[in-house]
Amino acid sequence: DAGVTQSPTHLIKTRGQQVTLRCSPKSGHDTVSWYQQALGQGPQFIFQYYEEEERQRGNFPDRFSGHQFPNYSSELNVNALLLGDSALYLCASSSLGFRTGELFFGEGSRLTVL
Amino acid sequence: KNQVEQSPQSLIILEGKNCTLQCNYTVSPFSNLRWYKQDTGRGPVSLTIMTFSENTKSNGRYTATLDADTKQSSLHITASQLSDSASYICVVSANYGGSQGNLIFGKGTKLSVKP
Repeated sequence: DAGVTQSPTHLIKTRGQQVTLRCSPKSGHDTVSWYQQALGQGPQFIFQYYEEEERQRGNFPDRFSGHQFPNYSSELNVNALLLGDSALYLCASSSLGFRTGELFFGEGSRLTVL
Repeated sequence: KNQVEQSPQSLIILEGKNCTLQCNYTVSPFSNLRWYKQDTGRGPVSLTIMTFSENTKSNGRYTATLDADTKQSSLHITASQLSDSASYICVVSANYGGSQGNLIFGKGTKLSVKP
């Protein structure tokens, strides 16, 4: 049973560029959340997707957007990259929709903005 | 303001020794408290989840305790192994209908186990 998979694992971009990160949830899960984790910090909630809609959003600007597909996979898009966007981006999935159930995290996508 | 504070920030212990990590929170209304282990550059892995009514929960050599009255939790690691070297993150869920957006993460305690 595959867990949460994320791609790419590492990528380097320059300021002003755009990036798309991808996530496939654990089999049987329908809810995907995205987190940003700066070095030495805990993960910060970006947003959550359920039934192909953004259900809740953390304190992140509109440069951060996402999408969920009918197969429950998800994308995180970041436009106009800033140096401060350099971080580990984590995707987490669960099977309880709005409810706070067991979260399974992917290995993350390490974004470096130069 | 909902906050989760962890201590110590970092800890070095010798292999085979025990250690205890602390988590204090000011999250209300409380739903549950989780401990995650995160290896460097990897995604967090769940160790335990405790609800209001649970005082202790074990997962192998990891034992978590919860005192909902004082809003404190601890994670005790017994007979540490080199593979226990990681960051341990305390996460508290606020009960606003249970959305994942109400998970408040601590900054973690970085544990290094030395031979």
